[in-house]
Amino acid sequence: DIQMTQSPSTLSASVGDRVTITCRASQSISSWLAWYQQKPGKAPKLLIYKASSLESGVPSRFSGSGSGTEFTLTISSLQPDDFATYYCQQYNSYLGTFGQGTKVEIK
Amino acid sequence: EVQLVESGGVVVQPGGSLRLSCAASGFTFDDYAMHWVRQAPGKGLEWVSLISWDGGSTYYADSVKGRFTISRDNSKNSLYLQMNSLRAEDTALYYCAKDMGTGDRYFDYWGQGTLVTVSS
Repeated sequence: DIQMTQSPSTLSASVGDRVTITCRASQSISSWLAWYQQKPGKAPKLLIYKASSLESGVPSRFSGSGSGTEFTLTISSLQPDDFATYYCQQYNSYLGTFGQGTKVEIK
Repeated sequence: EVQLVESGGVVVQPGGSLRLSCAASGFTFDDYAMHWVRQAPGKGLEWVSLISWDGGSTYYADSVKGRFTISRDNSKNSLYLQMNSLRAEDTALYYCAKDMGTGDRYFDYWGQGTLVTVSS
């Protein structure tokens, strides 16, 4: 099975900061990667698919990049609404797997 | 508007069984594969199972294979998860999630989840 590893597990940042989260796959997944945002008590929300495609309605400060085994999610200027937990998910295989999550906290 | 509404979550004893349901609306249900994803309290997301649009193909995480069965009734726009031989580690919020379609196995819509607690 493909394993997904996110880093860091927790990130402390201030409003306006540029934030980068990394996701590594245990084997190549081409560009078959999605990113989700989850707030406490809520279902996850799709942000990015196919590594770099922005889901409709998602602010342009969110961007994704990478291919193969290394991927990044970048928030160009952190907003108060962005404090949440972020997950990557590979869909190269039918057995989809998530990273362990990155919690973005207020510094 | 796409809606996914899960139900069936309760407190159940170890070794017990439970059937979760997910009622779908706002899209053509039988055009899409569907998934179950779970989240243990305070933990991350874990993909559980996938069923194809027609129910002909099913896939499971190793952690539930042989104990859980995913199914669907397209005439009722409903998705199910039969859970047998439940263990404490199956305690989680269970989400149903809509597949994007076109062969891309990511999730564009999620329900709000139903809580399963396995405890004596």
